[in-house]
Amino acid sequence: QTVVTQEPSFSVSPGGTVTLTCGLSSGSVSTSYYPSWYHQTPGQAPRTLIYSTSTRSSGVPDRFSGSILGNKAALTITGAQADDESDYYCVLYMGSGIYVFGTGTKVTVL
Amino acid sequence: VRLVESGGSLVQPGGSLRLSCSASGFTFNNYEMTWVRQAPGKGLEWVSSISSSGGTIYYADSVKGRFTISRDNAKNSLYLQMNILRAEDTAVYYCARDTLMAYFDYWGQGTLVTVSS
Repeated sequence: QTVVTQEPSFSVSPGGTVTLTCGLSSGSVSTSYYPSWYHQTPGQAPRTLIYSTSTRSSGVPDRFSGSILGNKAALTITGAQADDESDYYCVLYMGSGIYVFGTGTKVTVL
Repeated sequence: VRLVESGGSLVQPGGSLRLSCSASGFTFNNYEMTWVRQAPGKGLEWVSSISSSGGTIYYADSVKGRFTISRDNAKNSLYLQMNILRAEDTAVYYCARDTLMAYFDYWGQGTLVTVSS
């Protein structure tokens, strides 16, 4: 069974930079997995941040960027703000209509 | 674009439930649609997807054989028939619009399913 792993938590200072990663239990993440990123605050529906590795969804500030770093997908927040405090999830498309969500990262801004 | 889920409730283990997702603001029959769930305090889990015509369907292993996804393009509606429900199916169920770029661009607010005796 495929497991997509993310760091459980990260803390970042206001104005700071943090990079979240999204890896596979076996193998490397590449653009062929069409990595996408979502954030979710408690009690709210997820919202799309990044798709196709590095394309920002409409209205997403440019302090959010996506990339492939080594063998993982990555989401970087540059110049973190208080309202970036949220849970962040990556999703990989495994082919044949199958998606796998990452385990999620809780980001605290303080 | 608006997606509104309904049908969630408390149901006993072994029971059945049908969720609905009403779509508006876009041409529903042009898009693949997806159900995603989130157990209390846990992460997101992809459940099932259906092609724009309804002719192609995919399921996560955790629900295969118990859940059935369907759609009615004339009614702009997506459904999830859930049978043989288990405690571990307790979750908020979200419907989401899928895209050709393999991501979900719009999400509903979710409906809560609780499986408990």
